[in-house]
Amino acid sequence: NSKVIQTPRYLVKGQGQKAKMRCIPEKGHPVVFWYQQNKNNEFKFLINFQNQEVLQQIDMTEKRFSAECPSNSPCSLEIQSSEAGDSALYLCASSPNTEVFFGKGTRLTVV
Amino acid sequence: GQGVEQPAKLMSVEGTFARVNCTYSTSGFNGLSWYQQREGQAPVFLSYVVLDGLKDSGHFSTFLSRSNGYSYLLLTELQIKDSASYLCAVRNTGKLTFGDGTVLTVKP
Repeated sequence: NSKVIQTPRYLVKGQGQKAKMRCIPEKGHPVVFWYQQNKNNEFKFLINFQNQEVLQQIDMTEKRFSAECPSNSPCSLEIQSSEAGDSALYLCASSPNTEVFFGKGTRLTVV
Repeated sequence: GQGVEQPAKLMSVEGTFARVNCTYSTSGFNGLSWYQQREGQAPVFLSYVVLDGLKDSGHFSTFLSRSNGYSYLLLTELQIKDSASYLCAVRNTGKLTFGDGTVLTVKP
């Protein structure tokens, strides 16, 4: 069973507002991922970290999203100015090496 | 291009079996994972394979053929509660590339 903890479970924001979600990866897992799953259940990779350093990120993440994974603090993903199209399930996952385990997600609704 | 393909739907009968297929074409390969996802919930890890062959884990077994870019998840002795979406995900270049999932419906 996954021990990745995400908060909050649900988040409602108005357009233009900041939206911030947090993730505590499983202890001992150096790699952390953020994915967005839309209403069609399609997964979009956003960003991943290894030991607090960004490994890869997509364009969208560079521009409107900010993420960090500081040592001794939860990882976070923040949308600077929420748009309606950002409404989705945001999934954090961590990995010790090969297997990847997901948290329960933060469901963001932008109204 | 890079892609992970799965059939959209699959139907089977309680007490029998179901085989969920996955084909992939990616620029690298560092293993393939299967997840179960129920409506409105996060994916639950089921299995990870990186070597060819069948990995028997009881209720769930997984098969991989790297030369064919093919894997399947086999569910045996199906129960109604196995009805869910099953996701195939390939690990490559450091991240997971997901298929769109196969919705399995188990009928009485």
